[in-house]
Amino acid sequence: QKEVEQNSGPLSVPEGAIASLNCTYSDRVSQSFFWYRQYSGKSPELIMSIYSNGDKEDGRFTAQLNKASQYVSLLIRDSQPSDSATYLCAALSGNTPLVFGKGTRLSVIA
Amino acid sequence: DAGVTQSPTHLIKTRGQHVTLRCSPISGHKSVSWYQQVLGQGPQFIFQYYEKEERGRGNFPDRFSARQFPNYSSELNVNALLLGDSALYLCASSLYEKLFFGSGTQLSVL
Repeated sequence: QKEVEQNSGPLSVPEGAIASLNCTYSDRVSQSFFWYRQYSGKSPELIMSIYSNGDKEDGRFTAQLNKASQYVSLLIRDSQPSDSATYLCAALSGNTPLVFGKGTRLSVIA
Repeated sequence: DAGVTQSPTHLIKTRGQHVTLRCSPISGHKSVSWYQQVLGQGPQFIFQYYEKEERGRGNFPDRFSARQFPNYSSELNVNALLLGDSALYLCASSLYEKLFFGSGTQLSVL
């Protein structure tokens, strides 16, 4: 059973701080990893993808991947109240369907 | 370009009824996936179709069925609805490994 684990939160950070969201996955052969943002009552929106070990930066977002530790993280710099949402981590192995974690609820306090 | 479109946006049914949900993928995307998301959980995989063929099926009962049409649009059918089928049903289209979700259909079973 392929699993993606996330702390459900809520994770509360003050405005302007760095939010750090973490995710672990069970399938060692997972190759591709994704972070989705989901506002309450809305559908998930893809914000980051990462495929190789190391960091990948896109604006205020940085995704980090460590395949040896089976660990993925998302850093949000200069957090804004508009970043308050649930963040879903997802992992893909070959031709199997994308597996999602339960999500971490982030609350950015103004 | 239009994103993934789903209809209807909201639906209220009673136990035992059946429901048909519809999805049109992003232009050029040949793969459609269906996910179920219960409140507080991550999306759970139901079906994937590619070029009108079923490529994967999640751990859902036979009451759930789907198909994909020549224009790559898709339908998800659920028969003999149960209270536990109440959820947000998400359709996603994909080009390569990235999934892009529609706005979803919120199904309430009373």
